[in-house]
Amino acid sequence: EVQLVESGGGLVQPGRSLRLSCAASGFTFDDYAMHWVRQAPGKGLEWVSGNSWNSGRVGYADSVKGRFTISRDNAKNSLYLQMNSLRADDTALYYCARDTSRHIGVGFSSLDYWGQGTLVTVSS
Amino acid sequence: QSVLTQPPSVSEAPRQRVTISCSGSSSNIGNNAVNWYQQLPGKAPKLLIYYDDLLPSGVSDRFSGSKSGTSASLAISGLQSEDEADYYCAVWDDSLNGVVFGGGTKLTVL
Repeated sequence: EVQLVESGGGLVQPGRSLRLSCAASGFTFDDYAMHWVRQAPGKGLEWVSGNSWNSGRVGYADSVKGRFTISRDNAKNSLYLQMNSLRADDTALYYCARDTSRHIGVGFSSLDYWGQGTLVTVSS
Repeated sequence: QSVLTQPPSVSEAPRQRVTISCSGSSSNIGNNAVNWYQQLPGKAPKLLIYYDDLLPSGVSDRFSGSKSGTSASLAISGLQSEDEADYYCAVWDDSLNGVVFGGGTKLTVL
């Protein structure tokens, strides 16, 4: 059974940093690209970042570019999101999701498995 | 403002059919496959339709997808109360180099 379990969320002050983790199991992790998608309270889904199977290609939403860094450790079956210079509008539930392709930017791929999310609250 | 435009809400009676539209551009829907996600209240999103009109295993065939040019649609027939959820279209955008989501459509079964 495919499982994605996010962790690392919490309450953090504006300007500080936080690192999210996503532990994957039930599939061959390095066969798939992975993504982070967030959802602010009461709002819609927003793609944050994606990482190809070997980290050869990564992508970021303009809203987080230069502040967030996605990475993965295939030996540990884990995906990470380093979030720096956090702002109030980064407050959201952050989901980890699996791509159906090994690469990001493949026009025919989709996100077929999602975790339950980890909540990040940025407030003083 | 989302890159993909969806109606904020739709409603219909049980056993009826409803469609949800998703409008984009040549850099996204016009050139890549559209996916649809269902998000039940308090739950994580679930892949509902992929590659414009394909159903993942286990998804009811009451759901169907279509695409024409730079627009896509999700249709749900034989509406049931359990279909009440938020529905999102999504697609890769070649100009933005990222996944773009529609703003989401809240379905109410009257």
